[in-house]
Amino acid sequence: AQTVTQSQPEMSVQEAETVTLSCTYDTSESDYYLFWYKQPPSRQMILVIRQEAYKQQNATENRFSVNFQKAAKSFSLKISDSQLGDAAMYFCAFYTSGTYKYIFGTGTRLKVLA
Amino acid sequence: DTAVSQTPKYLVTQMGNDKSIKCEQNLGHDTMYWYKQDSKKFLKIMFSYNNKELIINETVPNRFSPKSPDKAHLNLHINSLELGDSAVYFCASSPGTGIGKLFFGSGTQLSVL
Repeated sequence: AQTVTQSQPEMSVQEAETVTLSCTYDTSESDYYLFWYKQPPSRQMILVIRQEAYKQQNATENRFSVNFQKAAKSFSLKISDSQLGDAAMYFCAFYTSGTYKYIFGTGTRLKVLA
Repeated sequence: DTAVSQTPKYLVTQMGNDKSIKCEQNLGHDTMYWYKQDSKKFLKIMFSYNNKELIINETVPNRFSPKSPDKAHLNLHINSLELGDSAVYFCASSPGTGIGKLFFGSGTQLSVL
């Protein structure tokens, strides 16, 4: 069975600084997809970034980038130039098309300090 | 236009009542989901339908019954509500094939008193 682990329940970062959120996963599949979702206090789930396992190049979306280490089964999210609006819960998620199932980690609450 | 809409946003009810949550997506997706988010923010999949067919049915009490009248709609009916059912319930959809992202509704906060 696939599992997703986020070992940091809470992180803090100073505004304009950089922070990295950790995620590890376990699977025997070779073809899968990884996501980071953001959930602000509004409760809406927002996709931040997506990575296909077959791609070696790390995905980037503006200030957000990932460090995808397939052999280590690690998928961390780096947020550069942190802004107050980045404060939210961040969830790492795993998907393999054979199961139709998106599995989420337990989340990391990110606080951004002014 | 909202891509995945669910109603109501808030639901407050007494123990023992029966309630329904409705979900509709206008994205043309084949697959729809119900997720439950508990007070610790843990997101757990409950059900998934692909083209109106139930494909995922996690360990959920049979008081919870999903219904998909067509592939754009997935409703959740809950019988005999219990205190422990209090949570946020999210509807979501995805293309079902390939690597489409999961599109979420805005959630329904259910409070059972």
